[in-house]
Amino acid sequence: NVMTQSPGTLSLSPGERAALSCRASQSVTHNYVAWYQQKPGQAPRLLISAASHRATGIPDRFIGSGSGTDFTLTISSLEPEDFAVYYCQQYVTSPPTFGQGTKLEIK
Amino acid sequence: QIQVVQSGAEVKMPGSSVKVSCKTSGGTFTSDAFSWVRQAPGQGLEWMGGVVPLFRTPNYAQDFQGRVSITADESTNTVYMELRSLRPEDTAVYYCGRAPPYSDPVSRRLYHYYYMDVWGQGTTVTVSS
Repeated sequence: NVMTQSPGTLSLSPGERAALSCRASQSVTHNYVAWYQQKPGQAPRLLISAASHRATGIPDRFIGSGSGTDFTLTISSLEPEDFAVYYCQQYVTSPPTFGQGTKLEIK
Repeated sequence: QIQVVQSGAEVKMPGSSVKVSCKTSGGTFTSDAFSWVRQAPGQGLEWMGGVVPLFRTPNYAQDFQGRVSITADESTNTVYMELRSLRPEDTAVYYCGRAPPYSDPVSRRLYHYYYMDVWGQGTTVTVSS
């Protein structure tokens, strides 16, 4: 199941709203899509599982939504620490597959 | 709090093998799902394979089938990933990650999925002559 993220790069300012898209080539059963954040030199961090469930300690400005083949990660009001690379992953079929990533950069 | 700690950086010759360890603490281990994911320099994330220690039988991505082995040692709560016949393009950061089982609220059956709610710090493997 190929996961395609868009845009490749998103340039926004702190305080703005970000919407990151992830499209699957086949429907993802149970909406088992996760979102991760990765900063330079660090391991990825789980933000969202099962499309919309925030992981422990993740601020509520991170909102996951979607079903079937179309999923979105919305960051309601960008903080300076949110500028990073974001990956989606489907994990219901084997092999689990990641999108290629969206880089969120400061405008 | 669950922690995942990986072994240190490795430099290997082409054609050799590398074995990376991933020691966990604070979780249930045997019923957790462990994945190995790699990231080549400047590239995205690639799932290599995974194992649920309870079932012992690992799952491998087709791209790595025949070249990778993933094992789990319940006595030390450690998962291992061995990659053989190394090539320069295997140069990457290798991550171990863990996910808890999902318990169906009606049947109480446990399901295991390869996402990662806790990640190791990563192990840099450099393949160069």
